[in-house]
This record gives sequence, structure tokens and C-alpha cells, in this order.
Amino acid sequence: GDSVTQMEGPVTLSEEAFLTINCTYTATGYPSLFWYVQYPGEGLQLLLKATKADDKGSNKGFEATYRKETTSFHLEKGSVQVSDSAVYFCALGLSGGYNKLIFGAGTRLAVHP
Amino acid sequence: DTAVSQTPKYLVTQMGNDKSIKCEQNLGHDTMYWYKQDSKKFLKIMFSYNNKELIINETVPNRFSPKSPDKAHLNLHINSLELGDSAVYFCASSQVTGITSGANVLTFGAGSRLTVL
Repeated sequence: GDSVTQMEGPVTLSEEAFLTINCTYTATGYPSLFWYVQYPGEGLQLLLKATKADDKGSNKGFEATYRKETTSFHLEKGSVQVSDSAVYFCALGLSGGYNKLIFGAGTRLAVHP
Repeated sequence: DTAVSQTPKYLVTQMGNDKSIKCEQNLGHDTMYWYKQDSKKFLKIMFSYNNKELIINETVPNRFSPKSPDKAHLNLHINSLELGDSAVYFCASSQVTGITSGANVLTFGAGSRLTVL
């Protein structure tokens, strides 16, 4: 079935370090791919998205490229800040499915000064 | 103005009770959702309504009953609460531009934390 696999956390980094959070997916058809972020005590917010192969989504210094050949959508940021500490969710949106999003298990990121 | 608002934010109750969580969106979206987030942060869809019509109904005990009085509201009623129902419940909404599209963005509420004792 359709699914999303993310690297397990927590990921602990020092400020200004490089971040990669791996995400791979299994899906029939051509899904859209998303990264959502959940800050402590809040709901999820869209961070970025990509709707077709080779698209790159970017926002707030974060980037992810939709790689169909490796079924991946890894999240990267060149220099993290303490304020980036949150839980990051990779998700896929299925066409024909009324926006049913399938989420990965989430990866907690903790950034220390 | 909060786009997707849920009440209550916290709910503590005893096993066997019946409780409701309310959700309202002021974005003019036509589709609303309930997601459950367990203690390990795993998120799973429960229900979705499009223009007051139930369109997604995942494998959820029938103690859970969603109700959508209009397209701006989607409430969740839970009967005979069990310990395993303890979780954070998120409401979300989106504008579905076509039933074949998976690209639409969901806007989430801040969550309602349910604790069953």
C-alpha cells in the first residue's frame, strides 16, 4: 500500500550545522509530496511541497527535491537555527483521493546553541 | 483571526464518558478532516467531509461519529471513551480543486489533547 518512511529521530544538531532528514515513499500513480512542520504545542504547518518529478520545493532555507527514480523527498537546510527545533513530517498526497494525506512517523529535530 | 479553530484545547475525562470536540474553519474551504496523533507523534486520518458529505472514513471504531452541520464546521463525537482514545486530535481543512488532485495543502488547527483516565 501507499506509505512514507522517514528517518527516525531525534536529530540533534548544533546551530549552523547542515540538516538532512531522509524521506522515501511508496505509492501507486503520481503523488504530490509535502513537508509539514509542527512546532511545540502547535498544529502542523506546510513547510514546502512538490507536485511532480524533479520539482524542488523550498521555503525558509529548507529545500527538498522530488526524486521519482529513488522515490525520495529528502529535506535539507544548509544552516539550522535554534528556532528550527520542531517535528518534521513527510507526507504524500494521492491523486483521486480527495486530498488524503499519508504521513510519515515524524522526525524530531533539536538544535542547540 | 484563527483559520482553523478547535475547542476544547484540552479535555480530561473518565473512561466510559461521551465527549465532543468542535472544529470551525473560516477559510471558505470545502473539505474538512479529522486526524489522530498518538503519543509517538504518528498521524493518521480518521474522517473527511467534502461539502458536508462523508468522503473518507478510515477504520475507526463506530464510537467515533463525525458531524458536519455545514461546510465550515466538522465536529467529532466520541462515545464510551477508552484509555486508548487518549491522543491529540487535529482538525484540518483544504480547498479541493479536483478529486484527482493530491496537491492541495491542508491547514491544520492547533489540536485538542484528549486524556482518558
